[in-house]
Amino acid sequence: DQQVKQNSPSLSVQEGRISILNCDYTNSMFDYFLWYKKYPAEGPTFLISISSIKDKNEDGRFTVFLNKSAKHLSLHIVPSQPGDSAVYFCAASAGSGTYKYIFGTGTRLKVLA
Amino acid sequence: DTAVSQTPKYLVTQMGNDKSIKCEQNLGHDTMYWYKQDSKKFLKIMFSYNNKELIINETVPNRFSPKSPDKAHLNLHINSLELGDSAVYFCASSPSGTRIYNEQFFGPGTRLTVL
Repeated sequence: DQQVKQNSPSLSVQEGRISILNCDYTNSMFDYFLWYKKYPAEGPTFLISISSIKDKNEDGRFTVFLNKSAKHLSLHIVPSQPGDSAVYFCAASAGSGTYKYIFGTGTRLKVLA
Repeated sequence: DTAVSQTPKYLVTQMGNDKSIKCEQNLGHDTMYWYKQDSKKFLKIMFSYNNKELIINETVPNRFSPKSPDKAHLNLHINSLELGDSAVYFCASSPSGTRIYNEQFFGPGTRLTVL
């Protein structure tokens, strides 16, 4: 049972446009969400996070939106740059101080120059 | 450089062999993890240690045995390797203590191929 789902395995976007990556979850106990970015032959690197007490968190070109009622979060990248081309994973955890994160299967973003 | 490092980066071996993957972090973190990314790209947690104590042990065959000699190291030993063990294994670490939610810092991964 995959509790965190990224239903789009890939996405192509023109440079300068907005990239929107989506993530759905099923466990209503999840209260903290993270996005990671992964380049080939490297480990995932942390990008941005959001707590369930918020519905939006912004960091530069990256914004994460959380819709708790729909159990849905999205990552917006604007403007998209060729260097953003990577696989993006969302992850979720439940409970304060937990060390266990459930990851989605990732979405491969390709930003076209 | 401060980082999470893993050795080896690639590991090709025969079924039935025993192998180890080493992980070291010099970030001063208290918690370390092993993840497995299989052919379907699922990234699943296997184990986690906090201050050398096992805190997460997912449903993993007991052929897999993690060992944490100190806070900076978490090694993974795999006995009697099977074809299904072929995957990329990622080590990660995170701080703990005053922070409630801790993002994890990942190593570059070890690609294990069992023939």
